[in-house]
Amino acid sequence: QTVVTQEPSFSVSPGGTVTLTCVLSSGSVSTTNYPSWYQQTPGQAPRTLIYNTNTRSSGVPDRFSGSILGNKAALTITGAQAEDESDYYCALYVGGGIWLFGGGTKLTVL
Amino acid sequence: EVQLVESGGGLIQPGGSLRLSCAASGFTVRTNYMTWVRQAPGKGLEWVSIIHSAGSTYYADSVKGRFTISRDNSQNTLYLQMNSLRAEDTAVYYCARAFREVGEYYFDYWGQGTLVTVSS
Repeated sequence: QTVVTQEPSFSVSPGGTVTLTCVLSSGSVSTTNYPSWYQQTPGQAPRTLIYNTNTRSSGVPDRFSGSILGNKAALTITGAQAEDESDYYCALYVGGGIWLFGGGTKLTVL
Repeated sequence: EVQLVESGGGLIQPGGSLRLSCAASGFTVRTNYMTWVRQAPGKGLEWVSIIHSAGSTYYADSVKGRFTISRDNSQNTLYLQMNSLRAEDTAVYYCARAFREVGEYYFDYWGQGTLVTVSS
């Protein structure tokens, strides 16, 4: 059974840089998995941040960037701000019509 | 303006059935891919099902054979028929549009969700 794994939690100082990753158990993440990233605060619907590996959604600050690092998808926040404290989820298309979400990373900014 | 509004959630006994609706505005459901994603209390997002513009449907293993995704083109509405419900199906259910073009595939618009609670 294929699973997608993210760091359960991460902490970053205000103004600091953090990279969250997304690992596919069945192999390397590539652009054909259409990696995307979603931000969610408690009680709210997810917000689309990054899609197609590295494209920012409309209105998303440029401190958010996506990439593939080695065999993983990655979300980097450069110059983290207090309002970035949220849960972050990656999603991967694994073929056969199926999508998988990672378990999410709870980011603390302090 | 694109909007997705879910409805139909509620309290249901184990083994029961429920149909969720997702009314779309600002775009045509029939010509888009549409998906359901759920989130159990205190847990992460879980992809549930998708319907392609051509009508193909796909499901997570956890719901295959129990849930059915469909759409009503005249109502511009997406549905999720949930049968044989279990306690572990308790979650907020979100509908989302899955934007699909050559080289692009992602969930771009999300509804606010509807809560389904399966309990006796």
